[in-house]
Amino acid sequence: DGGITQSPKYLFRKEGQNVTLSCEQNLNHDAMYWYRQDPGQGLRLIYYSQIVNDFQKGDIAEGYSVSREKKESFPLTVTSAQKNPTAFYLCASSERMGNQPQHFGDGTRLSIL
Amino acid sequence: QQQVKQSPQSLIVQKGGISIINCAYENTAFDYFPWYQQFPGKGPALLIAIRPDVSEKKEGRFTISFNKSAKQFSLHIMDSQPGDSATYFCAASTDSGAGSYQLTFGKGTKLSVIP
Repeated sequence: DGGITQSPKYLFRKEGQNVTLSCEQNLNHDAMYWYRQDPGQGLRLIYYSQIVNDFQKGDIAEGYSVSREKKESFPLTVTSAQKNPTAFYLCASSERMGNQPQHFGDGTRLSIL
Repeated sequence: QQQVKQSPQSLIVQKGGISIINCAYENTAFDYFPWYQQFPGKGPALLIAIRPDVSEKKEGRFTISFNKSAKQFSLHIMDSQPGDSATYFCAASTDSGAGSYQLTFGKGTKLSVIP
């Protein structure tokens, strides 16, 4: 089955610690995205990548970093500089950048210990 | 100008009734308007999408109505079922200018369909 796999489903972070969220897709999509979802809020874009080895900041990139070394993988690192990291993180992909349907993974819930 | 305002925040509808969710936008450059459905603990899934060259699009029990002059669009769920209980997000994007191709989401509507 083609789709997007996010892992882990739940993640706990200690103060001052960096953590990395995994996102893998086997849809052969060029574009990938990371969103943050907070209760009662819509989805806010953290980073996006149009092609391999290229990525751009979204609306709330501060305290986050990404890499895109392979087409199928777009990991997100939540750094210690992100002061309020507790949220539901969603990864998505689309065939290409543009007005295209975005396909989402089932998310990673990050909590602070 | 990039905002998409969605209402209501929550909605309770009886089984068999019509659920209506509304969205309004400011950016006249928006030209793609998808709706997503999200169940608890899952990622959103694309439900239906419309472009501004049509005023209505129907897929099964789901219909998008689009009013370009009012800068509003809405989702209608006919014959609502308990299985439709989920959070619905409207979104918008443009292929030109600042923020091209970035989806801007509304804050969501939690729909509960009661038997």
